[in-house]
Amino acid sequence: DSGVTQTPKHLITATGQRVTLRCSPRSGDLSVYWYQQSLDQGLQFLIQYYNGEERAKGNILERFSAQQFPDLHSELNLSSLELGDSALYFCASSPPSGHSYNEQFFGPGTRLTVL
Amino acid sequence: GEDVEQSLFLSVREGDSSVINCTYTDSSSTYLYWYKQEPGAGLQLLTYIFSNMDMKQDQRLTVLLNKKDKHLSLRIADTQTGDSAIYFCAERRTSYDKVIFGPGTSLSVIP
Repeated sequence: DSGVTQTPKHLITATGQRVTLRCSPRSGDLSVYWYQQSLDQGLQFLIQYYNGEERAKGNILERFSAQQFPDLHSELNLSSLELGDSALYFCASSPPSGHSYNEQFFGPGTRLTVL
Repeated sequence: GEDVEQSLFLSVREGDSSVINCTYTDSSSTYLYWYKQEPGAGLQLLTYIFSNMDMKQDQRLTVLLNKKDKHLSLRIADTQTGDSAIYFCAERRTSYDKVIFGPGTSLSVIP
């Protein structure tokens, strides 16, 4: 158990819908990262937040958005869903900047299926 | 380019050594990582190496770093069936904490 929790574990929805994925980082970690893992695209970095502020952006679509709240939990919002959005979505957290090798601790993931 | 590259598949016999190779992109990357993903689970840090090191050994794992060629390898000695997983190489860029992952190498261990 990495200490990072993600809900829900599975999500099945239809095209055109909107969903929200939730992540709680490890206690004390300020950074939260979101990744998308699919068979054809591999592990894609989406976005990073640090202590409530966006820090880095990767291959995140405009239909997707995220935020990190004052209690440091984060939500990833996916809207106008398409079949190709079906994937595993991972959240990871890491300790505050400057902590040596900065390991990222991954949650168990949310499996999203868009029908 | 932007991409970290790895071969996608590797198959070895139980008891043999496995070598997983990776080419990264940023010569100023500070840390290089190997993460392991078991079926149905998230990624877990296996080992890491700081960029000023050439080699790091940790029990059955040996990491070799060639900064000149931007080449990283992971050797698993006496590979076991429990080592079957996907192994991701990753580099930490100097800009903030951005970590770029490779596509992952799926290691299959044949009993």
